[in-house]
Amino acid sequence: DIQMTQSPSSLSASVGDRVTITCRASQSVSSYLNWYQQKPGKVPKLLIFAASTLQSGVPSRFSGSGSGTDFTLTISSLQPEDFAIYYCQQTYSSSTFGQGTKVEIK
Amino acid sequence: EVQLVQSGAEVKKPGESLRISCKASGYTFTNFWINWVRQMPGKGLEWMGRIDPTDSYTNYSPSFQGHVTISVDKSISTAFLQWSSLKASDTAIYHCARRWYINASPTDAFDIWGQGTLVSVSS
Repeated sequence: DIQMTQSPSSLSASVGDRVTITCRASQSVSSYLNWYQQKPGKVPKLLIFAASTLQSGVPSRFSGSGSGTDFTLTISSLQPEDFAIYYCQQTYSSSTFGQGTKVEIK
Repeated sequence: EVQLVQSGAEVKKPGESLRISCKASGYTFTNFWINWVRQMPGKGLEWMGRIDPTDSYTNYSPSFQGHVTISVDKSISTAFLQWSSLKASDTAIYHCARRWYINASPTDAFDIWGQGTLVSVSS
């Protein structure tokens, strides 16, 4: 099994802040890395696939980077609607999710 | 509209069996694998397994292998998740999700999700 570890587990930030979330895989997953956003009581929403490609309709303040074992999700200017939990996911070998990063209001 | 519609919430007792469903519409069912994802109360997402609706080939996470069964009925564009003997620890929301995959590229993600089915198991 490939393990996915996100950091931090939670963070507090203000509207307008730049936010970075890191995801590390226990072995290389190439670029088979996706990011999802989940708001309370809602289903997960695909934000970024293939490590850096923005899903249709997702605001351009979201970006992803990385390959191999180390990946980053960046929100360039945090908006009120971005407070949520973010998950990374590898699909290189079956699938595994990271434990999630909760982005809270400071 | 492309969508996955899941069956309603269930309340069961330990030891009982259960099958929940995920009905696809708005696309060709056999063109996309269906995955199941568990979310225990207040916890994160756990991938359980997936099925190819074309031939019912399945692939399970080691954590769930032998504990659940994933199946499909192509004639009604529906995938199923089944337990033969529920435990209290099976209490969770179960999501189905469509696998969007482009061969020979790293595009392999869950693009459409069902609304989730809450399963509560308690004596």
